[in-house]
Amino acid sequence: SYELTQPPSVSVSPGQTARITCSGDALPKQYAYWYQQKPGQAPVLVIYKDSERPSGIPERFSGSSSGTTVTLTISGVQAEDEADYYCQSADSSGTYEEVFGGGTKLTVL
Amino acid sequence: EVQLVESGGGLVKPGGSLRLSCAASGFTFSSYSMNWVRQAPGKGLEWVSSISSSSSYIYYADSVKGRFTISRDNAKNSLYLQMNSLRAEDTAVYYCASSRQNSGYAPWGQGTLVTVSS
Repeated sequence: SYELTQPPSVSVSPGQTARITCSGDALPKQYAYWYQQKPGQAPVLVIYKDSERPSGIPERFSGSSSGTTVTLTISGVQAEDEADYYCQSADSSGTYEEVFGGGTKLTVL
Repeated sequence: EVQLVESGGGLVKPGGSLRLSCAASGFTFSSYSMNWVRQAPGKGLEWVSSISSSSSYIYYADSVKGRFTISRDNAKNSLYLQMNSLRAEDTAVYYCASSRQNSGYAPWGQGTLVTVSS
């Protein structure tokens, strides 16, 4: 089955830039989405279609795509950004399958 | 206010059945695809099933295919997940989420906990 690979953890100091990557063979053909999940809460969409930001999401959140890797960038990280982040995409082999990456714990030092 | 509220979770024995519901409000439910996503305790997100706006297209993860059935009632603004032959590994918080093409899953409900244990 299709897999998306994320680093388990990323740590940054407040004000710095955090970059979280997500790799998958079908990413050149399928859009990626990013979700933020804080403890005890439901996930929240922060990026859709690789780089679009939903209304209400701060401008410091951005997304990009290059080949088989997509990247969520958080500029000027704030303490409130500490959370788990998940990428999501779909397989392109013809079988409908939505997949989430394993998640990345962002720690603000 | 756009809102999704799940219900129906609880404790069930292995091999048992449970039906989850998701009540939608604040948006045109019949225009959106709907999805179930689960999260085992301390683990990541796992896509479970999706259904198109008119129920024409239905998809399942391999892990639940043949045991779970997704359905919706647009007249009642409700989404359902019938879960049969439950296993310990189905223990998770189950979230419903709406989606439109290429727009991602948003919003999500608060989740309902399903525990499969003897």
